[in-house]
Amino acid sequence: QVHLVQSGAEVKKPGASVKVSCTASGYTFTDHYLHWLRQVPGQAPEWMGIINTSGGTSTAAQKFQDRVTMTRDTSTSTVYMELSSLRSDDTAVYYCAKAEGGVLRFPHWGQGTLVTVSS
Amino acid sequence: EIVLTQSPVTLSLSPGERATLSCRASQSVDYNYLAWYQQKPGQAPKLLMHRVSTRATGIPDRFSGSGSGADFTLTISRLEPDDFAMYYCQQYGLSTTTFGGGTKVEIK
Repeated sequence: QVHLVQSGAEVKKPGASVKVSCTASGYTFTDHYLHWLRQVPGQAPEWMGIINTSGGTSTAAQKFQDRVTMTRDTSTSTVYMELSSLRSDDTAVYYCAKAEGGVLRFPHWGQGTLVTVSS
Repeated sequence: EIVLTQSPVTLSLSPGERATLSCRASQSVDYNYLAWYQQKPGQAPKLLMHRVSTRATGIPDRFSGSGSGADFTLTISRLEPDDFAMYYCQQYGLSTTTFGGGTKVEIK
């Protein structure tokens, strides 16, 4: 059974960076890409990007291209999402998710990581 | 980018009633790649339906999806207490996706 476990909540100051982790289990880690999405309070989820867990390459949504870095550690089946130059409007719950069917639909989600940006 | 507009924003109903949620796209959704999610407070979204009308694993048959092109509907035939939640539609493809703004189904 697919299981995605994320790191705990973070509080950051504007201008800082945050790094969120997501550890996968229940399947072969390098066989499936993983995605990052976020959900600002009271809003819909928003797709941030995708990482190839085998090769390590990643693609970010245009909105985040300048500020997000996605990496992976195959030895621990963990992916990381680092968001830099944080602003108050980056306050959100950040999710990792595994897609299926070769398209961006998400039956498997991590539990979410709340990132609060506040001075 | 395809924009999804969900209506109504809030739906106030009683257990046992029928819920009808609408999702309208700004352009036709290719291959009927339209999904629905349920989300409860403090939880991640849960996939209910994909390809408009295919129920995800373990989803009961009181949930059904319909529609085509740019106009889609999620129907819950008889609301159970566990169904009161937020619902999002999502259009998806190989490399892009957007979500609608959501419909909250609340207890009347």
